[in-house]
Amino acid sequence: DIQMTQSPPSLSASVGDRVTITCRASQNIGSSLNWYQQKVGTAPKLLINAASSLQSGAPSTFSGSGSGTDFTLTISSLQPEDSATYYCLQTNRAPWTFGQGTMVEVK
Amino acid sequence: EVQLVESGGGLVQPGGSLRLSCAASGFSFSSHWMSWVRQAPGKGLEWVANIKQDGSQIYYVDSVKGRFTVSRDNAKNSLYLQMNSLRAEDTAAYYCARVEIPTGVYCFYMAVWGKGTTVTVSS
Repeated sequence: DIQMTQSPPSLSASVGDRVTITCRASQNIGSSLNWYQQKVGTAPKLLINAASSLQSGAPSTFSGSGSGTDFTLTISSLQPEDSATYYCLQTNRAPWTFGQGTMVEVK
Repeated sequence: EVQLVESGGGLVQPGGSLRLSCAASGFSFSSHWMSWVRQAPGKGLEWVANIKQDGSQIYYVDSVKGRFTVSRDNAKNSLYLQMNSLRAEDTAAYYCARVEIPTGVYCFYMAVWGKGTTVTVSS
């Protein structure tokens, strides 16, 4: 199985800060990497697919990069509504696997 | 409106069974792979299973193999998850999701999710 190692587990940053979350795959997954945002008590929301493609409706402050084994989700200017947990998901090979999640707190 | 609505969750004793349903509307259900994803209380997301449009290909996470069965009825626009031999560690919110397969890029993704149904396995 492909293991996804996500870091950091949590972070706290101020409004307007640039925030970076990373995900490392245990083997080459090409660009088969998606990023999700989940707010408490709600279903996950897709932000980025195929490593760097911004999902329709997702704020332009979100961007994704990477390929192979190393991937990054960047929030260019953190907003209060970005307070949530973020997950990466590899869909290169079954079983699909999520990262452990990153809880983002906006100060 | 594109919508997925899960149902069938509840409280069940260890070793018991439960069947979850996911009703799809607003899109061509038979044209999409579908997935089940779960989330234990206070924990992260875990992909559970995928099923192809015609049911000819099915994949499971190892922890549910031999106990859970995913199926679909395209005539009823419905997805199912039959869960047998339930364990305490199966306690979770269960989400169904629509799988997208874009052209030109090898990357499946789930863009449409239901709100989930909660399964509690406890005596």
